[in-house]
Amino acid sequence: DVKVTQSSRYLVKRTGEKVFLECVQDMDHENMFWYRQDPGLGLRLIYFSYDVKMKEKGDIPEGYSVSREKKERFSLILESASTNQTSMYLCASSPQGGGRTEQYFGPGTRLTVT
Amino acid sequence: GNSVTQMEGPVTLSEEAFLTINCTYTATGYPSLFWYVQYPGEGLQLLLKATKADDKGSNKGFEATYRKETTSFHLEKGSVQVSDSAVYFCALIRGGGSNYKLTFGKGTLLTVNP
Repeated sequence: DVKVTQSSRYLVKRTGEKVFLECVQDMDHENMFWYRQDPGLGLRLIYFSYDVKMKEKGDIPEGYSVSREKKERFSLILESASTNQTSMYLCASSPQGGGRTEQYFGPGTRLTVT
Repeated sequence: GNSVTQMEGPVTLSEEAFLTINCTYTATGYPSLFWYVQYPGEGLQLLLKATKADDKGSNKGFEATYRKETTSFHLEKGSVQVSDSAVYFCALIRGGGSNYKLTFGKGTLLTVNP
């Protein structure tokens, strides 16, 4: 059974803290993605990675960075958390194959920044 | 650029009612189309997909047909159940090249009452 796991389901952090969200997939997928989900806005892509140590900005990269040192792990970093980064964060992965392949999602991390 | 427009919710139905959730898209080339479902407290999971014009995706009693002439991919189910209560997302990936990015609609909340 395919699996994408995220390190926390719920997280509460203070403004200005550095926050790490971890994602691990066990499917040997090349591509990994970080989205945030907000009511009325749907899912928006923050960053994605198509190979180890490779990354590309998505639609809303400001205030975030990512790290992919190993194929199975993709980390999202909030350098200095702010209240407008309170959101649900979803990680996904997909195999190489361009436009025909589905993405597999983790359960999400609900982050609250106070 | 690519975009997906789906009907706004929330949609409330009684058990065994007929469901339609409209989805239209704008994209260059020949996108693949997807419906994802998000049950309460969970991540997204693929419900069905279609990769070329006139393809019909189906799963768990849900169906959607890729209509290139109307740029639509409407989701239908003949008889909904309480367990179908969830948020439904229409999405596309533009085909070809190295474009792996999913473009999502904003989601439609479905509530099915017994």
